[in-house]
Amino acid sequence: DTAVSQTPKYLVTQMGNDKSIKCEQNLGHDTMYWYKQDSKKFLKIMFSYNNKELIINETVPNRFSPKSPDKAHLNLHINSLELGDSAVYFCASSLLREGRETQYFGPGTRLLVL
Amino acid sequence: SQQGEEDPQALSIQEGENATMNCSYKTSINNLQWYRQNSGRGLVHLILIRSNEREKHSGRLRVTLDTSKKSSSLLITASRAADTASYFCATDAWGGGNKLTFGTGTQLKVEL
Repeated sequence: DTAVSQTPKYLVTQMGNDKSIKCEQNLGHDTMYWYKQDSKKFLKIMFSYNNKELIINETVPNRFSPKSPDKAHLNLHINSLELGDSAVYFCASSLLREGRETQYFGPGTRLLVL
Repeated sequence: SQQGEEDPQALSIQEGENATMNCSYKTSINNLQWYRQNSGRGLVHLILIRSNEREKHSGRLRVTLDTSKKSSSLLITASRAADTASYFCATDAWGGGNKLTFGTGTQLKVEL
């Protein structure tokens, strides 16, 4: 019954590694997002996909690469992890085509880079 | 740069009291939304107010919007311990593709 789910919930890894975070929504939404929340709880959008097409791409290092295999999934791959990548990453979704701006958030993935 | 600023940063009240949080933003908006985040959890949408609206109610929540001052306030009446959480305003600019820009958040603690 989970609307927006993310895996894994926790991710602890070494600097320099490559890791992926997965997101799935079962709400029938057409738009998905990735946000990063830092240790001060500052939440900033990273990417957004609408119908598998990238529509928002903020100033994010190109080590971060989102991939949307279909409308229900948006994954985030991070290459060469750095200490500063430690944060909580949230996936969200919304139904843009019907003008429903409310976003539904997943539970977050807590990434710790050592 | 960070769009919204919220104040206070932290608020501690007794159960039954009202809690008011304020949000200021910088650019023209399509709508403004408030979200709640419980500790260690994702964000939950509370209420959305459009740029042509001035006030909106939902249960114990009252939101106001003053576009001339580029500010909004969230009032929670008769607060409960379960209202303890961080509250964020988020603005959606015109033509932004539903890109939400979040404020800095207010940490609310409701004590018994």
